[in-house]
Amino acid sequence: GNSVTQMEGPVTLSEEAFLTINCTYTATGYPSLFWYVQYPGEGLQLLLKATKADDKGSNKGFEATYRKETTSFHLEKGSVQVSDSAVYFCALRLDSSASKIIFGSGTRLSIRP
Amino acid sequence: NAGVTQTPKFRVLKTGQSMTLLCAQDMNHEYMYWYRQDPGMGLRLIHYSVGEGTTAKGEVPDGYNVSRLKKQNFLLGLESAAPSQTSVYFCASGLRGGSSYEQYFGPGTRLTVT
Repeated sequence: GNSVTQMEGPVTLSEEAFLTINCTYTATGYPSLFWYVQYPGEGLQLLLKATKADDKGSNKGFEATYRKETTSFHLEKGSVQVSDSAVYFCALRLDSSASKIIFGSGTRLSIRP
Repeated sequence: NAGVTQTPKFRVLKTGQSMTLLCAQDMNHEYMYWYRQDPGMGLRLIHYSVGEGTTAKGEVPDGYNVSRLKKQNFLLGLESAAPSQTSVYFCASGLRGGSSYEQYFGPGTRLTVT
């Protein structure tokens, strides 16, 4: 079936460290891929997305490249800040009716000053 | 422009009680969704709607009912609450699909069933 697997957290880093959160997917067809972020006490917000192979999504210093050959969409940031502390969800959308999104289990990121 | 709003923000129920969660969006979106979020399990789709007057089951629909009488509102009902329904509930909405598609989320409702 269709699914998303992302690295378990929590991930704790010092400010200005390099971040990678791994995400792989299983899907039929050609899904669109997303990273959503959830700040404490809030709903999810779209962070970035990619709709086809080799696309790179980017926003707020975060990047992720849609790799069809490895079915991956890893999230990276070169220098994290305390304000990046949140839960990050990798997700896919199938090209089907209702545009349903399948979410990974989430990775909690904590940044130390 | 409020986006997606949910009421209430918090609720405590006793086992067997009923309640309705309200989701409202002011973006004229066709699609609306209800999710539950549990620790370590991400978001799971409960029910969804592709338009006014239509609803469909998601991944975990048992114990819940929904209605979409108006395009801007999507109601989630629990007829007889159980402790297993303790969770954070999120509503989301989105336009009809396309390359620019994204879902917009409400702030969530934290429900505790004792």
